[in-house]
Amino acid sequence: EDQVTQSPEALRLQEGESSSLNCSYTVSGLRGLFWYRQDPGKGPEFLFTLYSAGEEKEKERLKATLTKKESFLHITAPKPEDSATYLCAVQAGSSASKIIFGSGTRLSIRP
Amino acid sequence: EAGVTQFPSHSVIEKGQTVTLRCDPISGHDNLYWYRRVMGKEIKFLLHFVKESKQDESGMPNNRFLAERTGGTYSTLKVQPAELEDSGVYFCASSQVASGTTGELFFGEGSRLTVL
Repeated sequence: EDQVTQSPEALRLQEGESSSLNCSYTVSGLRGLFWYRQDPGKGPEFLFTLYSAGEEKEKERLKATLTKKESFLHITAPKPEDSATYLCAVQAGSSASKIIFGSGTRLSIRP
Repeated sequence: EAGVTQFPSHSVIEKGQTVTLRCDPISGHDNLYWYRRVMGKEIKFLLHFVKESKQDESGMPNNRFLAERTGGTYSTLKVQPAELEDSGVYFCASSQVASGTTGELFFGEGSRLTVL
């Protein structure tokens, strides 16, 4: 069964303290791995798509990487406005429609 | 450019009643998706429209749920009769290309459904 597991569930950091969020996945025939950001009361907001092991994407203080079994979202020198829930999701080869989401990591950045 | 809009933002109904949720996708987006998050669980896929046709409805939980997209524009999701376990947040998303191509879906803010 296709599955996405994110860790940790919650992470509290001091402003400027870099860290990484983990997403491990089990999927048959990965079409793509996606990272989304979700703020309270809002829908998920797309950040990145990664297609193959070794690929990396960057956006401001965020950098996503992909291996054959997991993805990392690295946050460098975070600011309070980076506080949000970060969702990892995958699309399996068996479906052109369905994205499978993980449960997310709630990130809190203290000033 | 207007984003994906959903209505209502919150609905509270009694068990056994009917609720209809509406989604207006971004103009020009042929692909429309419904997802939901029930209490404490992950966001889960319900179904995918391409224009007015159902491409994949494998995530629809049972026949109490009916989704339509007449004319290929807005979509409705009707729950009839509602049960307690239907409570959660229902998200609509749209995209120009199918999600398998880029993964970039544009989500609405969701409709929170509470069944008492």
